[in-house]
Amino acid sequence: KAGVTQTPRYLIKTRGQQVTLSCSPISGHRSVSWYQQTPGQGLQFLFEYFSETQRNKGNFPGRFSGRQFSNSRSEMNVSTLELGDSALYLCASSLEGTQPQHFGDGTRLSIL
Amino acid sequence: AQSVTQLGSHVSVSEGALVLLRCNYSSSVPPYLFWYVQYPNQGLQLLLKYTSAATLVKGINGFEAEFKKSETSFHLTKPSAHMSDAAEYFCAVSAGNQGGKLIFGQGTELSVKP
Repeated sequence: KAGVTQTPRYLIKTRGQQVTLSCSPISGHRSVSWYQQTPGQGLQFLFEYFSETQRNKGNFPGRFSGRQFSNSRSEMNVSTLELGDSALYLCASSLEGTQPQHFGDGTRLSIL
Repeated sequence: AQSVTQLGSHVSVSEGALVLLRCNYSSSVPPYLFWYVQYPNQGLQLLLKYTSAATLVKGINGFEAEFKKSETSFHLTKPSAHMSDAAEYFCAVSAGNQGGKLIFGQGTELSVKP
């Protein structure tokens, strides 16, 4: 069974640009959650999507948004990039959300 | 609201020694508790989970954790450390009514000396 797949693995952007990250969950998983990992703030929850609806949201500005498609694949978008957005972005999927989450290897985003 | 505190950002043990990584949680509802491990340039791998069944939970790679409600703790242990255990370990909590929202501790980096 294929795991959670995140693309791309690495991205370099400049301030002010926007970026879209993609996550393909494990087959059959309907919940997809996104996390930001930085050395200073650690792992922080961004949002969760379940059956194409945002079910939970963390404390991030509106520049961070996401969506989920009917096949459960999810995308995360960050607009007007700032230097502080440099981080490892992790996606996790689970059957129903309360079940253990399985993580992808992340997308490392660097802002110049 | 839920929160997690991991005591010790760095722990160093000798190969073959006991591994003990500490985690205390705060939750207003019965929690689901997890331990994850992260190797360099990789995502998080689930070691074990507590979901209100047995208080002593066995996980992969010889790790186990004990849920102690009176101490609000969920410490991770392994009787004998191996060099391959060197990694960063995260304790996480979620509430049953919070869906897929995990709250993580700050992580503990485990070093294993030969």
